[in-house]
This record gives sequence, structure tokens and C-alpha cells, in this order.
Amino acid sequence: EAGVAQSPRYKIIEKRQSVAFWCNPISGHATLYWYQQILGQGPKLLIQFQNNGVVDDSQLPKDRFSAERLKGVDSTLKIQPAKLEDSAVYLCASSLVDVFYEQYFGPGTRLTVT
Amino acid sequence: QKEVEQNSGPLSVPEGAIASLNCTYSDRGSQSFFWYRQYSGKSPELIMFIYSNGDKEDGRFTAQLNKASQYVSLLIRDSQPSDSATYLCAVNTRMDSSYKLIFGSGTRLLVRP
Repeated sequence: EAGVAQSPRYKIIEKRQSVAFWCNPISGHATLYWYQQILGQGPKLLIQFQNNGVVDDSQLPKDRFSAERLKGVDSTLKIQPAKLEDSAVYLCASSLVDVFYEQYFGPGTRLTVT
Repeated sequence: QKEVEQNSGPLSVPEGAIASLNCTYSDRGSQSFFWYRQYSGKSPELIMFIYSNGDKEDGRFTAQLNKASQYVSLLIRDSQPSDSATYLCAVNTRMDSSYKLIFGSGTRLLVRP
């Protein structure tokens, strides 16, 4: 079974630039999560999708972050414009609807904003 | 703000010893609790979950839960150098009509050969 795929793995941008991350979840997993993990901290949920719909985006900084999940499969997370404090690893995870706690994480995208 | 607290460590134990990792949480309504392991530069992976007060054993791992004290712990028996990683405690929290995991900042475990 293929795992969660993410790209790119690494990205360096300057502040005020924009960046986009892509995620392809495990086949059959209806729930998809984007987390932000700052060095030395635990993952913080940014947005949760179930199929096409947003379940929770309460911690997504909506003035600069956006996310979409077209056709209930792949998802993209965008930051525009980036700030220095956005430097982090962005993790995508997926799960079955009824087993939300068993989340399978992708390898992450390490973003450095200079 | 619902919180999950962990000692950042590092917790250093010799090979073969018992490692004890602790976590406290603020939401009394939380019903389920999880331990994820994260190797350096890698993604978290689920290793244990517990719902009921008491102990739950799985191989060398034992999760312990005390809801009255809002405390959950993970014991690793016969610690191996390969257990060296950051251990994240996560707590299930209900948010409106959905559930989400709140993660602690993790405890770094170092097992010395």
C-alpha cells in the first residue's frame, strides 16, 4: 500500500513570496489533514478535510493560508505572502473516517523563509 | 485553549532500562489518548492508544491513563538504542461536530548503548 505522498520535500523562499505544497493521501482515506510543525513543537492542525468539505480550519491563518481538496483526493496548501514565522515542516496526514486517530503522515515539506 | 504538556527532555536511559514518559492534559472531556513516535527528520507514527483508566500493554510498551489526574504515561521496557526518538502525546478533543488531535511538544528519549 502506497503511503501519503507530499511534494516538494524542501523549499526555501524569501518573505512575502508565495509557496504551494501538494499532498496525495492513502487511497480510500476520506479524511485529510494539514499540520504545521515548528522545530521543537508538536504538530498543530491547520485544516482538516473530509472528502471535499472542510471539517475544521479554526487554526488556519486565513489571511495568508489557503487550502483546497479537489475531487476529494489530492490537496494543496498555499501560503501567500510568507512570513519568517512560517518556517516549519508542513505535514500532510490521512485517515479513514471512523479511525481518525490512526493518522498516516507523509514525509513532510520543510519550508524555510528567509 | 486546550493544552497537552510534556517535558521536552532529553530523557536519557541506559540500554535495557525502563523509560517513563509523561503527559498531562487540560481538557477534562477528552476520552482518548495517543502516543506517536517521531524519529529525527521523520514523520510521526502511532504506537499506542488508550481509552480507559489503567494500563494497556503492547509488547515492550505500556500506556497508563489516570483521567482523574488528567495524566497519561508511556513506559518502554528493555529500552533499545533504536527507541531513541521524540515521543508525542496526543489527546482527542471534540471541536463542534468533529474531533481533532491536540499534540504535546514531545519528549526526546535517548537510549545509551
